[in-house]
Amino acid sequence: GAGVSQTPSNKVTEKGKYVELRCDPISGHTALYWYRQSLGQGPEFLIYFQGTGAADDSGLPNDRFFAVRPEGSVSTLKIQRTERGDSAVYLCASSSQGSHNEQFFGPGTRLTVL
Amino acid sequence: AQSVAQPEDQVNVAEGNPLTVKCTYSVSGNPYLFWYVQYPNRGLQFLLKYITGDNLVKGSYGFEAEFNKSQTSFHLKKPSALVSDSALYFCAVRDKGNYQLIWGAGTKLIIKP
Repeated sequence: GAGVSQTPSNKVTEKGKYVELRCDPISGHTALYWYRQSLGQGPEFLIYFQGTGAADDSGLPNDRFFAVRPEGSVSTLKIQRTERGDSAVYLCASSSQGSHNEQFFGPGTRLTVL
Repeated sequence: AQSVAQPEDQVNVAEGNPLTVKCTYSVSGNPYLFWYVQYPNRGLQFLLKYITGDNLVKGSYGFEAEFNKSQTSFHLKKPSALVSDSALYFCAVRDKGNYQLIWGAGTKLIIKP
């Protein structure tokens, strides 16, 4: 079956620009997560959606980062006024409801801010 | 605060030998524990998890892990390593009722023929 997909796979932008990263979760998964992974590190939690609402956004580093999931399926992570420090691989995952359930990850979007 | 430690940046094992990738954790309550593998240019893949019950859990590709509550460890093991097991392995933990996964820094596993 179809897994989690993310687009684009690579994004190069200039400092100060706005970017949107898209995640298409596994059909029927109500929980969706965004993580950020820098080279040589484990993923860092950003935000968690249950359905359409952000249940936990405590990992968003500042107000330049925002994410939506308007219909409870596809999610978009939005970054305003990008900075070089935002360069990382942005990972999306989805799971069935329940904190004991494993998360299924997409391939990630590699964001490079020049 | 929750945390996960993977004390080895890299583990080298000869093909056919047993392998162990170490993980220790710190959580305030009872943990849910996970192992994931990451191959180059591919997404994280779930290997196995501990929720409750038997301390030895079996997962994909012949991997298993042992939950040790007294030592707060969840080491990943495989009886006989394959060259194709070479990858980056991540341990992750979450508190019951908390949806955030807290991740270790990863261990690079190299299996030499």
